[in-house]
Amino acid sequence: DAGITQSPRHKVTETGTPVTLRCHQTENHRYMYWYRQDPGHGLRLIHYSYGVKDTDKGEVSDGYSVSRSKTEDFLLTLESATSSQTSVYFCAISVRSGVGYEQYFGPGTRLTVT
Amino acid sequence: QKEVEQNSGPLSVPEGAIASLNCTYSDRVSQSFFWYRQYSGKSPELIMSIYSNGDKEDGRFTAQLNKASQYVSLLIRDSQPSDSATYLCAVNPQLTNFGNEKLTFGTGTRLTIIP
Repeated sequence: DAGITQSPRHKVTETGTPVTLRCHQTENHRYMYWYRQDPGHGLRLIHYSYGVKDTDKGEVSDGYSVSRSKTEDFLLTLESATSSQTSVYFCAISVRSGVGYEQYFGPGTRLTVT
Repeated sequence: QKEVEQNSGPLSVPEGAIASLNCTYSDRVSQSFFWYRQYSGKSPELIMSIYSNGDKEDGRFTAQLNKASQYVSLLIRDSQPSDSATYLCAVNPQLTNFGNEKLTFGTGTRLTIIP
């Protein structure tokens, strides 16, 4: 599991409420990513981080913010959840392997916005 | 728009046969390519990475890359029921490979191995 945990694993929330998802890694990897996965769309990048306090937007960043105050934690916040943000959210880390880097995923968080 | 295309399937293969999964990509400068396996309700699991033209073998899995034709494939020999899953193709559509690249994923091919 590449030493990645995500919390919570499941969450049901109401439209308009703030939600924070946590990704925690134990191996001090520099690069971390948040994806969402929806039927018909595959995995899409929301935000990513190069290091502490260093983040950038991905393909589908609207409505999401992130923070990384420690190397091991990457937080994804939905400021005001909408039904369109019902999805499965995966955190990933980038790990050096041979000639390149490979991404490994956490177990995921299933979020339902009602 | 950088794209990665996969046949969504489902692809049904008899147990013991070879399963062949294909992926095409649009960005010619892409440098690294990955195959992930995802069981229903689980997270994607990296099974193969390939960076150079040709074949790369790991156990029952062989990844094949052809940059000129812009496709990458995954062969699974001696298919087992436990290989039934969705297989995701991912491409690094950039010239670099420093760890901070943003992968582009295909939507996946659902593979079913028939006992």
